[in-house]
Amino acid sequence: EAGVAQSPRYKIIEKRQSVAFWCNPISGHATLYWYQQILGQGPKLLIQFQNNGVVDDSQLPKDRFSAERLKGVDSTLKIQPAKLEDSAVYLCASSLIHGQGANKAFFGQGTRLTVV
Amino acid sequence: DQQVKQNSPSLSVQEGRISILNCDYTNSMFDYFLWYKKYPAEGPTFLISISSIKDKNEDGRFTVFLNKSAKHLSLHIVPSQPGDSAVYFCAAYDISGNTPLVFGKGTRLSVIA
Repeated sequence: EAGVAQSPRYKIIEKRQSVAFWCNPISGHATLYWYQQILGQGPKLLIQFQNNGVVDDSQLPKDRFSAERLKGVDSTLKIQPAKLEDSAVYLCASSLIHGQGANKAFFGQGTRLTVV
Repeated sequence: DQQVKQNSPSLSVQEGRISILNCDYTNSMFDYFLWYKKYPAEGPTFLISISSIKDKNEDGRFTVFLNKSAKHLSLHIVPSQPGDSAVYFCAAYDISGNTPLVFGKGTRLSVIA
């Protein structure tokens, strides 16, 4: 079974530039998550999709971050403009459905973003 | 406001001994708990979980214990192996509230040969 695919693996940008990350979840997984993991911290949820609808984006800094999940499969996360504090690993995860036992999310390898 | 706390940033254990990783939570609505393991440059991988209707779940060398009254859970690894060296994250969520996973900050386990 193919896992969650993310690209790119690494990205270095200057502050105020824009950047986009891509995620392809496990086939058949209806729920997709984007997490931000700052060094020394646990992953923090940015946005959760159920199919192509947003379930939770309460912690997404909407003035600079946006995400979409076209056709309920692939997803992109964009930051525009980036700030130094956005330096982190951005993890995409997917799960079958959100609920009893099914919230066992499978994670991709992440994209390490460095803003200089 | 940290709802899931892992107060030990690191732990060193001799190979063959028991590793005990601890996790505390503050949200009494949490009713499902998971442990994830993370190697460098990889995403977290699911290790073991427990529902609030149980107080213990075992899978091979890994056992998770849940003490609901104390809002505390622990992961026991017996015997510890060098390949277990990784960062371990505790995570929790509220099934009925359809909340997302909330993670602790992680504990780095080093198993020394």
